[in-house]
Amino acid sequence: SQQGEEDPQALSIQEGENATMNCSYKTSINNLQWYRQNSGRGLVHLILIRSNEREKHSGRLRVTLDTSKKSSSLLITASRAADTASYFCATGGGSEKLVFGKGTKLTVNP
Amino acid sequence: DAGVIQSPRHEVTEMGQEVTLRCKPISGHNSLFWYRQTMMRGLELLIYFNNNVPIDDSGMPEDRFSAKMPNASFSTLKIQPSEPRDSAVYFCASRPGTDNYGYTFGSGTRLTVV
Repeated sequence: SQQGEEDPQALSIQEGENATMNCSYKTSINNLQWYRQNSGRGLVHLILIRSNEREKHSGRLRVTLDTSKKSSSLLITASRAADTASYFCATGGGSEKLVFGKGTKLTVNP
Repeated sequence: DAGVIQSPRHEVTEMGQEVTLRCKPISGHNSLFWYRQTMMRGLELLIYFNNNVPIDDSGMPEDRFSAKMPNASFSTLKIQPSEPRDSAVYFCASRPGTDNYGYTFGSGTRLTVV
């Protein structure tokens, strides 16, 4: 299965701190994507990194990809209470469908 | 753009009843996906369509589930008969035609079967 697995399952930090979430997967991929889900809402696409890219930035988000280790990380810098959500990685292997992990539940305390 | 629109937002039904969930994808998006989310199993892909054609329905749990996409702007997911274990949040998502785009999700339908 291409399913990504996020680590840790839950993370609690103070506002202003950085949050790092990791994702591991098992097979070769075309791209890896990160999504955010606020409680009771749909998923929101954050960032996509292709298999030939190693790092990508978007605002306070930084994503890295290490295809040799089959892993990715999502860093949120200077976290805010509004970043409280669940974060999912999803892998795309060229068959067009995304397979999602179970997510990391991030709590940012004001 | 109003995004991906799902209806209803909430559905409570009795076991054995037929349930129909609806989705309107973003105009111009060629791919449409139906996912189910539960605490135990996370997000599961049920079925997806490319250009209105079902491509992979291997995630559909059993024959009680069926999905259609009669045109580019509308899809339905039907459960008949419904069972309590079908209770979940059902999401529809759409994407432009190529692989290197993210999905846009709807707000979901929370289904409760009693």
